[in-house]
Amino acid sequence: ETGVTQTPRHLVMGMTNKKSLKCEQHLGHNAMYWYKQSAKKPLELMFVYNFKEQTENNSVPSRFSPECPNSSHLFLHLHTLQPEDSALYLCASSQGTGGTDTQYFGPGTRLTVL
Amino acid sequence: GDSVTQMEGPVTLSEEAFLTINCTYTATGYPSLFWYVQYPGEGLQLLLKATKADDKGSNKGFEATYRKETTSFHLEKGSVQVSDSAVYFCAPSSGNQGGKLIFGQGTELSVKP
Repeated sequence: ETGVTQTPRHLVMGMTNKKSLKCEQHLGHNAMYWYKQSAKKPLELMFVYNFKEQTENNSVPSRFSPECPNSSHLFLHLHTLQPEDSALYLCASSQGTGGTDTQYFGPGTRLTVL
Repeated sequence: GDSVTQMEGPVTLSEEAFLTINCTYTATGYPSLFWYVQYPGEGLQLLLKATKADDKGSNKGFEATYRKETTSFHLEKGSVQVSDSAVYFCAPSSGNQGGKLIFGQGTELSVKP
């Protein structure tokens, strides 16, 4: 596998379920990101990790819980979601968090909350 | 705060037409500028970037020049193809918040044969 991979690609869950999204990067990067992409809205940055440490939480509700066990893996644990949480969730990675560092994105997980 | 403005889509062109997608930004400090492309059902792919004033980024026939005086980074392509149909995002990095990218709503391009 190369680049940034995300699993699953599609997920349907009820409001009372608990599920997790997984992201893995094969680029040797140190920073990883979670974004939310909703229809007709700009991408929303959710979380940033640099060297496994969370450096940004963009006022995300606690029903979204990130985990970064190492620089190559990033998880987003989901519980008691709302229908408005349905969106495409994108993971990205970059060498660092400097202004010139390019972010590389995965294909995303399409989440539907019933 | 930092922001980006792109021309609204959808933009519909015939194959081999000239493409311009306008992008202007406001950012403190010295941002880098990126264009990303999102094909249907996929994530974002880096198309090109420029890291300082007057730099020109180019890739796959697309070009954009970092214009500090007009705070613009317009995307151009001389002859579009049907396969260029996608959503294009201009994204400056926040000049004072490290590598945080500032995204707008994107511009949808549809190229007809």
